[in-house]
Amino acid sequence: DIVMTQSPDSLTVSLGERATINCKSSQSVLYGSNNKNYLVWYQQKSGQPPRLLIYWASTRASGVPDRFTGSGSGTDFTLTISSLQVEDVAVYYCQHYYKTPFTFGGGTKVEIK
Amino acid sequence: QVQLQESGPGLVKPSETLSLTCTVSGGSISGYYWSWIRQSPGKGLEWIAYISSSGSTDYNPSLKSRVTITVDTPKNQFSLKLRSVTAADTAVYYCARHFAAGYSSGWYEYWGRGTLVAVSS
Repeated sequence: DIVMTQSPDSLTVSLGERATINCKSSQSVLYGSNNKNYLVWYQQKSGQPPRLLIYWASTRASGVPDRFTGSGSGTDFTLTISSLQVEDVAVYYCQHYYKTPFTFGGGTKVEIK
Repeated sequence: QVQLQESGPGLVKPSETLSLTCTVSGGSISGYYWSWIRQSPGKGLEWIAYISSSGSTDYNPSLKSRVTITVDTPKNQFSLKLRSVTAADTAVYYCARHFAAGYSSGWYEYWGRGTLVAVSS
């Protein structure tokens, strides 16, 4: 199985400041034939299912504000929230879909300072 | 707008079978792949299995011996059975649609709200 490791476990950021979440996969999720990274980011608020934010490591899903940016390739990925808003308080997860079993990171909790 | 709704018992006894159904509305089950995913405090988010509308399946090896996923296309439903449950199977169970039509790679835009299943005598 590909192990997804997120850091930090939690993050406290002031309103309007940048939040950076890291995700590392135990093997590359870059598929050579199409040069795509098989990685997504989700946001999960309390009592709700995960919400898709980013797929192909850097493509924003429909309706996702442009303050959310995904970057990275191979085994190292980053989700950046450029200017943290109150509504961004949530747990963020990365997940690979390179092969089965699809696996998720342990989550990063983002709070307001 | 596609909507998914999980249904099934909220309490299952140890050693018995957990059975859940996901009903899809606002769109057809045909042409897509569909997954079950669970979330527990101890193990986080865990992909369980997927099925296509034509019945192709894949299972998480960690659960494969105990899991069966089926699809009922006329009813726009798919289902999960997890046998011989223990307390470790206590979790919120989600159903979800794979993002792209005809694509087995599992990333998910549409999720059900989730249903909490507790395993306890």
